[in-house]
Formats: sequence, C-alpha cells, structure tokens
Amino acid sequence: AQSVAQPEDQVNVAEGNPLTVKCTYSVSGNPYLFWYVQYPNRGLQFLLKYITGDNLVKGSYGFEAEFNKSQTSFHLKKPSALVSDSALYFCAVRGALWDNNDMRFGAGTRLTVKP
Amino acid sequence: DAGVIQSPRHEVTEMGQEVTLRCKPISGHDYLFWYRQTMMRGLELLIYFNNNVPIDDSGMPEDRFSAKMPNASFSTLKIQPSEPRDSAVYFCASSQQGKHGYTFGSGTRLTVV
Repeated sequence: AQSVAQPEDQVNVAEGNPLTVKCTYSVSGNPYLFWYVQYPNRGLQFLLKYITGDNLVKGSYGFEAEFNKSQTSFHLKKPSALVSDSALYFCAVRGALWDNNDMRFGAGTRLTVKP
Repeated sequence: DAGVIQSPRHEVTEMGQEVTLRCKPISGHDYLFWYRQTMMRGLELLIYFNNNVPIDDSGMPEDRFSAKMPNASFSTLKIQPSEPRDSAVYFCASSQQGKHGYTFGSGTRLTVV
C-alpha cells in the first residue's frame, strides 16, 4: 500500500525568500506524485505532478518539485515566495499500476508567507 | 468544462436528520471519489467508484453512510441519521484512468447540531 508523509505541519517564510514544503512517500513500484494547494473555503487545486522523465517538475504559479528516488522524496519549492502563496499544501502519491487509482494524501502543510 | 460540481455548498442540519450531498463529475471522467476533511483527521477517502461501480468503500465510517452513483454524471453521499461528529467538509473528486491527478469540487461544509 502507498503512503505519503509531510513532516511539517506548518512552514513560515518571509516574502521574497525561497520556500520548501517537504514530502516523502512509500509505494510499491514506480510512483505517481502530485502536489495540490487548498485556499480557504475551496477545494484542492492541482499544482504539478511527476509521472516519469525529468526529476524536476515545473507547475502552476512558479512552483516546482524535485523527485528524488533514492530519498523517496518529492519536495515542493519556489524560488521567491509571495504572500498569496499562503495556503494548505498536500502531497499525494499513487502507484503506477494501470488499475490502481487509489491516491493517498499527506496530512497537509500550512504555508504562511509573511510580508 | 465547469469542473466538478457539488451541492449544496453549506448544509446545517439537526442531529438525527438525513443529509444528502450531491456531486456531478467532469464529463468523461470514469473515477469518482468522496473525501471528508476535518482538522483532526485531515483528508480521508470514504469511497470511490469506477464506471459507476463502487470499488472501495472501506473508508466509509459506518452504516449510517451510503453512496450511490446511478449514472456517469451524478453521485450522492447520504448520511442517515446524522450526528454532530459528522460535521466536516465533504469533497467530491473525479479522474480519468491513467496518469492523471484528481479534480476536486469546492466541497460541502456540513454542520450537524
């Protein structure tokens, strides 16, 4: 069975500084990895995904994530944080088996960007 | 496409009443998921369907919860009778078979008093 861990409940950064939101995963076989963002009173919105290929994946709003197979990690990064990036971020994983559509979400990390 | 549509956005009901949450997935998506989000437990998968057939309902908390998908464009999650501990935000999501992520609806905030 697959699982995902987000070790930090909260991340605080100053506007303009780089940000990292951490994620590690466990899955049998090759993983499909995702990041979602949730703004207040909204559903989860897709940010980016890793399926195969280049380990550095670029997504919406200037976010990127790096797949590291040896460390089983998929950390979310942005070079320069904005106050508007403040939200709840979820990492998710599912196995690459054709009939496996059971996605597991992490507990979420609340990102606060201060002016 | 209008995305995944959930209704109602907010529901306040008294304990013991029946509650029905509704979801319209994205046209062409063959998977539909119901999630519950609370502060204490985070995002929990309740049940998911493939081609209108329930595949895994192991996350449904108890017999008071039931879900149906009578056709490809509509699903319901019913709680009968409702209890205060059912208060949460309930999300519906849909997906296509393959290398895709999920598209979430805006959720239904349920409050049982």
